[in-house]
Amino acid sequence: DQQVKQNSPSLSVQEGRISILNCDYTNSMFDYFLWYKKYPAEGPTFLISISSIKDKNEDGRFTVFLNKSAKHLSLHIVPSQPGDSAVYFCAAREWSLNMLTFGGGTRLMVKP
Amino acid sequence: DGGITQSPKYLFRKEGQNVTLSCEQNLNHDAMYWYRQDPGQGLRLIYYSQIVNDFQKGDIAEGYSVSREKKESFPLTVTSAQKNPTAFYLCASSDRPWEKLFFGSGTQLSVL
Repeated sequence: DQQVKQNSPSLSVQEGRISILNCDYTNSMFDYFLWYKKYPAEGPTFLISISSIKDKNEDGRFTVFLNKSAKHLSLHIVPSQPGDSAVYFCAAREWSLNMLTFGGGTRLMVKP
Repeated sequence: DGGITQSPKYLFRKEGQNVTLSCEQNLNHDAMYWYRQDPGQGLRLIYYSQIVNDFQKGDIAEGYSVSREKKESFPLTVTSAQKNPTAFYLCASSDRPWEKLFFGSGTQLSVL
């Protein structure tokens, strides 16, 4: 049973517009959430994180929103750039179980 | 430059053969992890170690073994018991367990 789901396998956005990547989770014990970006044949690189005590965290063009009641996480990229084209993974931590669970990823394509 | 180095980048395994994937970090991180990624899938945890000489099984440890004799090194052995070893293997480390993992560039393992 997948506890972290990214229901959109791919997303296409025009350069300069907003990209919104979504992530849903089922485990209410998750206390910390992260977003990673991954290029083919490379390791993921950390983008941004958010603690469960917050509902928003911003870093430059990247903003993560957390809606605990809906068990929903989203990453906003504004403005989107062609270099943002990659696979994006969300991940969620359950501290008590020593576990970081990843979603299946969403491939973002930003068109010039 | 600080970082995580995985080698080799590509590895081929014959039937019945054990192979070892190398992972070295110079970030002075206590925690290290091994993940496996299959095409179109998220990352699944194989093993993790929070301190030297100690490691724990993840979700898919069967057919794999690890050691943590030095803080900077966490090699993964894919044994002949792992019947479906073809995948992209990622090593990661973190300063604090389960927070902001830094990933290596990965090893693609294929079966001949």
